Amino acid sequence: DTGVSQNPRHKITKRGQNVTFRCDPISEHNRLYWYRQTLGQGPEFLTYFQNEAQLEKSRLLSDRFSAERPKGSFSTLEIQRTEQGDSAMYLCASSLGRTGFYGYTFGSGTRLTVV
Amino acid sequence: GESVGLHLPTLSVQEGDNSIINCAYSNSASDYFIWYKQESGKGPQFIIDIRSNMDKRQGQRVTVLLNKTVKHLSLQIAATQPGDSAVYFCAEATGNQFYFGTGTSLTVIP
Repeated sequence: DTGVSQNPRHKITKRGQNVTFRCDPISEHNRLYWYRQTLGQGPEFLTYFQNEAQLEKSRLLSDRFSAERPKGSFSTLEIQRTEQGDSAMYLCASSLGRTGFYGYTFGSGTRLTVV
Repeated sequence: GESVGLHLPTLSVQEGDNSIINCAYSNSASDYFIWYKQESGKGPQFIIDIRSNMDKRQGQRVTVLLNKTVKHLSLQIAATQPGDSAVYFCAEATGNQFYFGTGTSLTVIP
């Protein structure tokens, strides 16, 4: 297992297009989290899953955002009708339990640029 | 939302010196804290954590101090090396999510 994997690493899209990102967590981790990070800021929580259940969503997660984790393994984050304000790094993290051993493990992120 | 802030946005230290990065948090109910290191183009990397029932924890070259009275967290890096140059975030856990501060950029001068 090589840690949390995110694809693609970079995505450039035109405003109004839909985009989908994928996260593959550490295999034994039951919790999966999505965060968003803009330049010069710390990551902001978007949502988290415990197994396949989406248990919590931030106010930041507008109706244009949807996340799934259908089999409790990988997760996808879709943004519909992208806006320039969606440009950010989207980070995925996983953990075993609430805090787990060594806390969260983050992936390297997907950098989205909306033009 | 929660407020997790850092006292200094940038910090420059000479190689070999000790570094101290400070963080203030606002939620007295937070029970778990982590320091993360983030290098350019990468996701945050765990450095060290501490639970609220502790006031000090040591790792390899790093020490985290927690002062719950004043809601203050610090990260001490001993014998700072060029590879320590990065942005450092403190994060507090309340419930099932972490709240991150803005970050301190540490530059190690060779």
